[in-house]
Amino acid sequence: NAGVTQTPKFQVLKTGQSMTLQCAQDMNHEYMSWYRQDPGMGLRLIHYSVGAGITDQGEVPNGYNVSRSTTEDFPLRLLSAAPSQTSVYFCASRPKIAGGRHEQFFGPGTRLTVL
Amino acid sequence: AQSVTQLGSHVSVSEGALVLLRCNYSSSVPPYLFWYVQYPNQGLQLLLKYTSAATLVKGINGFEAEFKKSETSFHLTKPSAHMSDAAEYFCAVSEDFGNEKLTFGTGTRLTIIP
Repeated sequence: NAGVTQTPKFQVLKTGQSMTLQCAQDMNHEYMSWYRQDPGMGLRLIHYSVGAGITDQGEVPNGYNVSRSTTEDFPLRLLSAAPSQTSVYFCASRPKIAGGRHEQFFGPGTRLTVL
Repeated sequence: AQSVTQLGSHVSVSEGALVLLRCNYSSSVPPYLFWYVQYPNQGLQLLLKYTSAATLVKGINGFEAEFKKSETSFHLTKPSAHMSDAAEYFCAVSEDFGNEKLTFGTGTRLTIIP
């Protein structure tokens, strides 16, 4: 199993540009989530999904869109990038059946810089 | 709402010394608690978790943590630090069905002094 994969590893954008961060998992996990990591702030939840066709907002959803058309993929879209979105983005997944007691599996991250 | 507080954003210990990283949580229901480790330029890896079984939880790489409900704490310890333990450590809390989101602390960067 490849686990959770993310592309690209690095990205530089100009203010106002749009892009999609890709996330895929091959573990048949229903629950997937996106976090951003900023110095001194830990990881903050952006959006999450409990299954195909179902998404919900996390703690910091503004400026980001998600969709979940398949169990495997959970892309994160930046509609109009801003310097405040410079961060490291992590995708994670876990089985839904165990609820919050099950650990999440994290991808390697995407480092995004917005100029 | 659930929350996590990690005391000390930076901790330095000598090689061979005790490692103690502090985590306090707030939760309105019995929590599930996790410690994750992040090595430089990598993703997060689970160290250990508490899911209401034994209160003393043993994890990978010689780490362990004790759940203390009366103190709302879940501190991470290792008897003897190794150079390879240098990393950032995150404590996290989640709840059961209905509020399954994982909430992280702000992290503690552990430095090992040779």
